[in-house]
Parts: sequence; structure tokens; C-alpha cells
Amino acid sequence: NAGVMQNPRHLVRRRGQEARLRCSPMKGHSHVYWYRQLPEEGLKFMVYLQKENIIDESGMPKERFSAEFPKEGPSILRIQQVVRGDSAAYFCASSTTGGSGNTIYFGEGSWLTVV
Amino acid sequence: KQEVTQIPAALSVPEGENLVLNCSFTDSAIYNLQWFRQDPGKGLTSLLLIQSSQREQTSGRLNASLDKSSGRSTLYIAASQPGDSATYLCAADSNYQLIWGAGTKLIIKP
Repeated sequence: NAGVMQNPRHLVRRRGQEARLRCSPMKGHSHVYWYRQLPEEGLKFMVYLQKENIIDESGMPKERFSAEFPKEGPSILRIQQVVRGDSAAYFCASSTTGGSGNTIYFGEGSWLTVV
Repeated sequence: KQEVTQIPAALSVPEGENLVLNCSFTDSAIYNLQWFRQDPGKGLTSLLLIQSSQREQTSGRLNASLDKSSGRSTLYIAASQPGDSATYLCAADSNYQLIWGAGTKLIIKP
């Protein structure tokens, strides 16, 4: 059973370009979470999705960021018109069921560098 | 609003020493508390998960404790080794969001 798979592992974008980060949850997991780790800072919750639904996006910046988890395929975190401040590690996690107390499994992260 | 703090921010000790990393949280209404390890430029490795009804968990040389009433958790590392050098993160499970501390950067000197 493969773990949570994220790609690309490293992504370089110029300011103003779009970044797309993908996350394939563990087999049988229908709940996905995205976290962001800014340089020298702790991780911060961004969004919680279930298949075809956004459950909680309270941690997402109001502009330029969006996330989806379609019925088929990976979850996508999309950042439009990237700026240098978007440079960070983006971690995806998944779980079998939602709610608190469930074990969640993390991917190895996607490192975005904006130049 | 849950806040998680880790002290110290950095720690350097000689190989072989036992050490304790501290994690405190402001809201005791947590479902569990987890400790992770992160190597530079790498992902997160889950070390120990303590459910809210538990007081401690052990794995090898690692022991984590949880005291909800005082809002504290500790990670005890016995007989430290250079391979233990990494950043250690604690995270409190509050309402399905993990609230993270900023981490303790640990260096074990050979």
C-alpha cells in the first residue's frame, strides 16, 4: 500500500506563473488535508477536502489559492500568479475518515520556490 | 484558539545523553497529540501519537507523555545518537486540524 504521494517534489516558478501541486492519498482514503510550512516557521493548516467537497478552507489565503479533490484523480492545490512569499513546503495528508482523532498520513511534501 | 509552543527552539547535546523536549498547548480540549521528526528538506516522519485518554506512549528509545490538565507534552529521548539530529515537531489535534509548534532543532554531537 503506497503512502501519500505528492508531486512534484520540487517546483520552481517565476513570479506571476501558476503552480499546481498534486496529492494522491493513500488507497482507501477519501479525506485530504493540505498544510504549508513557510521557511523557519511551523506548519499551518490550509484546507480539508473530501471527495468533490471542500470541508474547511479557513486556512487558505483569500486570493490566488484554490484546492480541489475530484471524484477521480489526485487532489490539486493551485496557486495562481505566484509571488516570492509563496515559496514554502506544501504538505498533503490523508485519512480514511474525517473528524478529529483519526490517524492521518503525510506525504513527503512539495517544495515551491518562486524566483 | 489553540496555540502550541515548543521549548527550547534549539538544543545541542553530546552523544549518549538523555534529553527532554517540551511542548505546551493552550486548549486542553484536544483529541490527540503527535510528535514528528523532520530532517532538513525532507518530509515528516510520525514518531508517536498519544490519544487524549492516554498518558504516554513509547517506541524504542522514545517516550512521549501527555498531561492535558497542564497543557503539556514531553518527548524523552534516551541515549541520544548523532542520527537523532533533526527538527522535532509536536502537533495538537483540535477539531481535525493539526495545530503545530515551531519545532525544536536538535543537534547530537559525536
